Formats: sequence, C-alpha cells, structure tokens
Amino acid sequence: GAVVSQHPSWVICKSGTSVKIECRSLDFQATTMFWYRQFPKQSLMLMATSNEGSKATYEQGVEKDKFLINHASLTLSTLTVTSAHPEDSSFYICSARDATPSNMNTEAFFGQGTRLTVV
Amino acid sequence: EDKVVQSPLSLVVHEGDTVTLNCSYEVTNFRSLLWYKQEKKAPTFLFMLTSSGIEKKSGRLSSILDKKELFSILNITATQTGDSAIYLCAGNAGGTSYGKLTFGQGTILTVHP
Repeated sequence: GAVVSQHPSWVICKSGTSVKIECRSLDFQATTMFWYRQFPKQSLMLMATSNEGSKATYEQGVEKDKFLINHASLTLSTLTVTSAHPEDSSFYICSARDATPSNMNTEAFFGQGTRLTVV
Repeated sequence: EDKVVQSPLSLVVHEGDTVTLNCSYEVTNFRSLLWYKQEKKAPTFLFMLTSSGIEKKSGRLSSILDKKELFSILNITATQTGDSAIYLCAGNAGGTSYGKLTFGQGTILTVHP
C-alpha cells in the first residue's frame, strides 16, 4: 500500500527556535497534502492544505506566518513551526492524497506523526 | 462548517464483548466516510465507506454507512485487549476538497482481559 513518511518522529526544541517537519509520499505523487495537529486526548484538527507549486490554504485560526508550509515537489511537503512556544507542543500529522487518476478513490494516507515538545 | 460527532466518547468492555461505535456527520459535498484506529502514533486506516447499506468487513470489524440518516457505525465482535485504542471517524469532502478530512472527537475503547 501507499506509504507516507514523516520526519522527525519526535523533536524537542527551545522556545523561540524553529522546527521543520517533513512529509514525503514514498511511492506515489501527491499534489495535495494535509497537515493536522492533535492535542492530548483530542481529535485531529486540520491546520492547512498544502498544494504542490502554490500557496497553502490555512484553516481559520491557524497563523500562516507561524506555520510555514512549503510543497515544492510532488512528493514532499514541509511544515516549519517558527519561533516555537510551549503552547505549540503537540502531535503534528501529515496526510497525502494519491494524485493518480486510477487511485483517486482511495483513502488518505497518514505519516507516522511528529511529537513536538517546546521547552 | 463541516461537523463529525462520535459516540460514545469512551467505552470500557471485557474481552469477548461486542461493541458498536457511532458516527454522525454533516459534510458539504460529502464523498466518503473513513474509520481509523489510533494507538500510540498516527491513525491507521480501517474502512472507507461511500455507498449506503453496504457492509464492509475485515475480520472481527465491520462498518456500514447510512447516507440518508448521515450516520455510520463500526462494530467490533469478540473484542480483544489489542482492540484497545482510539477509534476515529472522518468525513471526506469531494471535489477540490477531496482528501481533506473532518474528524470526530474519537471513541476511546478500553478492553479488559
């Protein structure tokens, strides 16, 4: 089955620094990837939709200048948490949609997630 | 605004019991409903449902969709301790939003030996 690889799986950073999280589709092309955030004991909340070659679309309440998304190729999207603060500590997960027309009716594939802790 | 609501929020059972998890949805331009199991890390895919009334089965798990009532259920029979997890359902919109999932709150299932 299709695989989405997310890296790193966990990261601890100091307050004020920036952290980059990568999301790669390993065996399919993904024109669209999605970034979700999950706080403890809560469900996944969509942060933004990442479109290859264009600007990301952010959900209401998500600061685009704080959560920078770059989708420069059909297999890679990155999320950079800039000037991280303790309240940004969360579980970040990406998902990707297979752009192949014959696979359009398949489910979204998730990366392993990144546990971010800001100290 | 799209909305997905799951019930119950938590459930504690003993091995061998059968459980039914509920999911109601309001999704604009609805295309499909998905069920995921989440243990310690990212969700793992269980089912994708697009048509009403057609049950999907995988081992002890089964799921069905009612597009008239905007509702889905996930059944787990003969539960095992390994079934303990958070079960998430998500509505998938179609068109240009395809793949964008709106998740429910999740049902925390605990199966005791």
